[in-house]
Amino acid sequence: EDKVVQSPLSLVVHEGDTVTLNCSYEVTNFRSLLWYKQEKKAPTFLFMLTSSGIEKKSGRLSSILDKKELFSILNITATQTGDSAVYLCAVDFGGSEKLVFGKGTKLTVNP
Amino acid sequence: DTEVTQTPKHLVMGMTNKKSLKCEQHMGHRAMYWYKQKAKKPPELMFVYSYEKLSINESVPSRFSPECPNSSLLNLHLHALQPEDSALYLCASARTVRVITGANVLTFGAGSRLTVL
Repeated sequence: EDKVVQSPLSLVVHEGDTVTLNCSYEVTNFRSLLWYKQEKKAPTFLFMLTSSGIEKKSGRLSSILDKKELFSILNITATQTGDSAVYLCAVDFGGSEKLVFGKGTKLTVNP
Repeated sequence: DTEVTQTPKHLVMGMTNKKSLKCEQHMGHRAMYWYKQKAKKPPELMFVYSYEKLSINESVPSRFSPECPNSSLLNLHLHALQPEDSALYLCASARTVRVITGANVLTFGAGSRLTVL
């Protein structure tokens, strides 16, 4: 069965810290991996990764995919309280019309 | 306009009521999705519509009935729900269900929080 595993499930840091969130997957036919940020309601799209070793970057957030070891990381540098959210990893398995989500990492950034 | 709009934002209903959740997008997306999200859990797929036709039904109970009247609208009709159906219902859309050069980058709505008494 295809599955997506995120770790840690929960993380509490102080403003200014750097965090690394992990997402590993077991797939039958990987197509791409996506990261979403969910605060109160709707998940908002952060990155889509399809190729190994190519870093995607947006401000203080960056992400990279390792298709050989079947994982991705999401880095957040100089964290701010506004980064507090649940970060969801989702994988698109080819041959299916759906994304499979991990359970998410709940990040809390304290002032 | 890059939004998916869901109404109502909150809904409280009894187990004998009939109600509907609505979702609208004007991005020209031809794939639309209903997800159910319980507290502290990831979104779980319920239905996928592709070009207004039901493409995936994830073995959802018949008390949930989706409808896609046109390419911009997606409804979820609710009847005889149970308290355990209380959850956040998320609508999402994507350009198509299959993108040759990429994958499904879903755009989510803000959700409808449903409470079944």
